Amino acid sequence: DIQMTQSPSTLSASVGDRVTITCRASKSIRTWLAWYQQKPGKAPKLLIYEASTLEPGVPSRFSGSGSGTDFTLTISSLQPDDFAVYYCQQYESYSGTFGQGTKVEIK
Amino acid sequence: QVQLVQSGVEVKKPGSSVKVSCEASGGTFTSYSIHWVRQAPGQGLEWMGRILPMFDTTTYAQRFQARVTFTADESTSTAYMQLSSLTSDDTAIYYCATYSPSRGGAFDIWGQGTMVTISS
Repeated sequence: DIQMTQSPSTLSASVGDRVTITCRASKSIRTWLAWYQQKPGKAPKLLIYEASTLEPGVPSRFSGSGSGTDFTLTISSLQPDDFAVYYCQQYESYSGTFGQGTKVEIK
Repeated sequence: QVQLVQSGVEVKKPGSSVKVSCEASGGTFTSYSIHWVRQAPGQGLEWMGRILPMFDTTTYAQRFQARVTFTADESTSTAYMQLSSLTSDDTAIYYCATYSPSRGGAFDIWGQGTMVTISS
């Protein structure tokens, strides 16, 4: 199975900050990577797919980049609604391993 | 667009089995692969595997291979996840998920989740 390593596990930031979360795959997944946001008591919400394509309706302050094994999610200016847990997921070869998650909390 | 509706809360005893359902509506059931993801309390997301109803093929994550079974009933557009030999570590919310064709495999469609509690 492909392993996904996400960092940091927790991130403390203020409204307006630029935030970056990284995700590394144990082997190349080309650009078969998604980012999700999850809030308490809710199912995950897709933010970005194919490493850099923004899901319709997701604010443009979210962006994704990377290919192969190294990927990043960037929030250009953190908003109050963005405090949540973020997960990366690879979906290469019919599988779907998730990273461990990054909790973005208020500083 | 397809929607996924899951069965309700389950409470099971250690050593028993649980079967969770996931009914699809609003789309062609056999066109989708249904994935199962679980989340233990306070923990991250864990991919369990998938079923492709059109071909009745399954792929299981290695750690669940020995005790999980995915099935699908095309007549009712319902997928099922059965997990056996339950322990307290299986206490979790179980989600089914799928994706629209343009998403290429990223899950834009999720069920509401089914809470499964294992307790003696």
